[in-house]
Amino acid sequence: AQSVAQPEDQVNVAEGNPLTVKCTYSVSGNPYLFWYVQYPNRGLQFLLKYITGDNLVKGSYGFEAEFNKSQTSFHLKKPSALVSDSALYFCAVRATSGGSYIPTFGRGTSLIVHP
Amino acid sequence: EAQVTQNPRYLITVTGKKLTVTCSQNMNHEYMSWYRQDPGLGLRQIYYSMNVEVTDKGDVPEGYKVSRKEKRNFPLILESPSPNQTSLYFCASSSPGLADEQYFGPGTRLTVT
Repeated sequence: AQSVAQPEDQVNVAEGNPLTVKCTYSVSGNPYLFWYVQYPNRGLQFLLKYITGDNLVKGSYGFEAEFNKSQTSFHLKKPSALVSDSALYFCAVRATSGGSYIPTFGRGTSLIVHP
Repeated sequence: EAQVTQNPRYLITVTGKKLTVTCSQNMNHEYMSWYRQDPGLGLRQIYYSMNVEVTDKGDVPEGYKVSRKEKRNFPLILESPSPNQTSLYFCASSSPGLADEQYFGPGTRLTVT
C-alpha cells in the first residue's frame, strides 16, 4: 500500500520569506512524487513531479521540491513567498510499478502568506 | 482546450434519491478516477478506471457506483445518497505515460439532507 503524510495542517509565512511545506511518503519500490495546488473554489492543479534523476525538482510559479530517499520525504519549497501563493497544497505518491498507477494524496496543507 | 468537465457543479438533494454526477475528458486519457474531499481528511479516492470497462475500488467506495462505457466519460452514481456523502467531489484523468500528472475537473459540491 502507498501512503502520504503531510504533518502540518497549516503553514504561515510572511511575504518575501522562504517557505517549506512538508511531505513524507511510503511506497513499495521507487516512487513517483507529485505536488498539486488548489486555489479556493477550484480543482487541483499540477505543480511539479519527481520521476528520477536530480533530487531537486523545479516546477511552476517558482516552486521546487527536494526528494530525499533516505528520509522518504519530498518537501515543497519556494525561496520567496507571495501572498498569491496562499492555497491548499497536496502531496501525492504512486508506485513506479504494480498497483493501480493512480496516485495517493495526502490530507493537504493550507499555506497562508501574510502581507 | 484540454479539460475535464463535471456536471452539475452544485447539487442539493434528499436522502435516498438516486443521482449521477457526470465526468467527461477530451484528452483521450485512459485513466480516470473519482475523489471526495472533506475537511481534515484531504482527498480520498472513491473509484478509478484504467480503461473502458475496467474499474476498481479506491479507498472509500461504499455507497458509490461507477461505469466506464466510453473512454471519455466516467459517471459517478449514488444509488441511495445519505448525509455522510455530503462532500466536494472531483473527477480526474491521466494517461498511462511515465508518471503523467492528473488533470482535475472543477469539482461538484453535493449536499444530501
